[in-house]
Amino acid sequence: SQKIEQNSEALNIQEGKTATLTCNYTNYSPAYLQWYRQDPGRGPVFLLLIRENEKEKRKERLKVTFDTTLKQSLFHITASQPADSATYLCALDSGNQFYFGTGTSLTVIP
Amino acid sequence: DAGVIQSPRHEVTEMGQEVTLRCKPISGHDYLFWYRQTMMRGLELLIYFNNNVPIDDSGMPEDRFSAKMPNASFSTLKIQPSEPRDSAVYFCASSLLSRGGIDYGYTFGSGTRLTVV
Repeated sequence: SQKIEQNSEALNIQEGKTATLTCNYTNYSPAYLQWYRQDPGRGPVFLLLIRENEKEKRKERLKVTFDTTLKQSLFHITASQPADSATYLCALDSGNQFYFGTGTSLTVIP
Repeated sequence: DAGVIQSPRHEVTEMGQEVTLRCKPISGHDYLFWYRQTMMRGLELLIYFNNNVPIDDSGMPEDRFSAKMPNASFSTLKIQPSEPRDSAVYFCASSLLSRGGIDYGYTFGSGTRLTVV
């Protein structure tokens, strides 16, 4: 069956360091992969989309990679700040709908 | 635009009662999605609409759940009768997937936290 796995453990890093979150998938062949941020009590907020033919995409301090051979996406936040603390979700497309991973909780320690 | 608007924000109801959740998508968006989020299962897609027409409801857990979209600016998700295991946060999201809108992702509402006691 189709499966999306994100870092099951919460991630704690020191302010200023680079946070790296992982999204692995099986039995999908997504044409697109998205990353979202979710704060407590709020809905997810779209951050970035990467296509299957793109290896890497950047937006300000964010970088996403997409390796369709490894079936993996990495999400990096450089120069992390306490305000980056949130849960980050990856989502893969299947037709016109996206399926979400369970998310990774990131805490940036001042 | 005020974004995707969901109501109510919180709903507490007794088992067996009917519950109706409401959603107003962003004007001009052609897709609307209903998701349910729990700690154990994460975000689960329940149903989605394209131009007000239900396209895939395979995620709806059982016949107790129904969803409608009578026009482009309003959708409802109804649970009748409700059960304690329906307790979750229900999100509505809209998107402009056609005409190159995929790069903007989904816009989610703030969710309805449903508690069935």
